[in-house]
Amino acid sequence: NAGVMQNPRHLVRRRGQEARLRCSPMKGHSHVYWYRQLPEEGLKFMVYLQKENIIDESGMPKERFSAEFPKEGPSILRIQQVVRGDSAAYFCASSLTGTDEQFFGPGTRLTVL
Amino acid sequence: LAKTTQPISMDSYEGQEVNITCSHNNIATNDYITWYQQFPSQGPRFIIQGYKTKVTNEVASLFIPADRKSSTLSLPRVSLSDTAVYYCLVGDIRSGYSTLTFGKGTMLLVSP
Repeated sequence: NAGVMQNPRHLVRRRGQEARLRCSPMKGHSHVYWYRQLPEEGLKFMVYLQKENIIDESGMPKERFSAEFPKEGPSILRIQQVVRGDSAAYFCASSLTGTDEQFFGPGTRLTVL
Repeated sequence: LAKTTQPISMDSYEGQEVNITCSHNNIATNDYITWYQQFPSQGPRFIIQGYKTKVTNEVASLFIPADRKSSTLSLPRVSLSDTAVYYCLVGDIRSGYSTLTFGKGTMLLVSP
């Protein structure tokens, strides 16, 4: 039973480019969460989605960041016009019911040059 | 969400028992206590969760006193592979969804 998958594992972008991070939840899970971890910091919640719906985006920066979880396919975290401060590890987690254990993926490490 | 306080780092040796204490003075009635483990370059991994008294699984034990203002994660007979960052989180997982708030965690270093 495959776990949460994220790709790419490492992503390098220049300032001003777009970054697209993908997350495939565990089989049967319809609840997806995105977190960001800055160097030497703990994870910070960004957004919580169910299929085709954003439930809570209280942790998302107001500009340049967006997330989706379409009916078919992986969840996408999109960062437009990246800046150096966006360099971080981005983790995706999924759960079965939304109130149970969250299983985390290996993360995508974004580096902005 | 209740704020948590844990030591920044701890050192131990192989075979010893390690106890990591977390303070959460403002824990709410519906909050559960959850511990996660994170290895370098990996996502966090669930260790244990509890509400009160004691919970034990194949990996660890969680001790929660009656006032629930603190909790202690106990790792029996640690090995080198237990070197990781351990996060204590509190929150109400029954509010329809759960959004975990991670602090900086405790960096546990296990030496030979």
